Amino acid sequence: DVLMTQTPVSLPVSLGGQVSISCRSSQSLVYSDGNTYLHWYLQKPGQSPQLLIYRVSNRFSGVPDRFSGSGSGTDFTLKISRVEPEDLGVYYCLQSTHFPWTFGGGTKLELK
Amino acid sequence: EVQLVESGGGLVQPGRSMKLSCAASGFTFSNYGMAWVRQAPTKGLEWVATISYDGSSTYYRDSVKGRFTISRDNAKSTLFLQMNSLRSEDTATYYCTRGWEPDYWGQGVMVTVSS
Repeated sequence: DVLMTQTPVSLPVSLGGQVSISCRSSQSLVYSDGNTYLHWYLQKPGQSPQLLIYRVSNRFSGVPDRFSGSGSGTDFTLKISRVEPEDLGVYYCLQSTHFPWTFGGGTKLELK
Repeated sequence: EVQLVESGGGLVQPGRSMKLSCAASGFTFSNYGMAWVRQAPTKGLEWVATISYDGSSTYYRDSVKGRFTISRDNAKSTLFLQMNSLRSEDTATYYCTRGWEPDYWGQGVMVTVSS
């Protein structure tokens, strides 16, 4: 199975600040079609996860440009700039290149 | 508007069976692969199973292989998860998701396996 190591586990932030979350995979996430199936989600308290970024760097419909994704191969980053209150919650990365699909352990974004 | 609505959860005894359903609307269901993802209480997300757009291919995590069956009825735009021989470790909220890059998620349905 592909191990997804997500850091940090907890991330205190001030409103208006900028943060980065890292997700590293135990093997390359490049699929045979040339795409990299690495995605980012935010789960707010009491809600279902919502897609933010798909295939490394593509913002999903309605996601503000404060969110950006980057990386390649086995090393990926989600950046959030100008953090707003609605950005608080738990962030997860997901790889769907290889079965079984695997998630990172989650990063809790909370106020300092 | 894309909607995924799960149903069929509840309390079940260990070793018994339960079938979850996910009613899809707002998109052409037969064009998309679908998946189930679960989340145990206070834990992270865990992929359970995926089915191709036409039902010809299915994939499972090892811990549910042989016990769970994912299926679909494209005529009724409905996804299913048949869960047999349930264990306490299957206790979780189960989410129905769309696509190989899960973009839409249902609200989730709670399954509690306990005597």
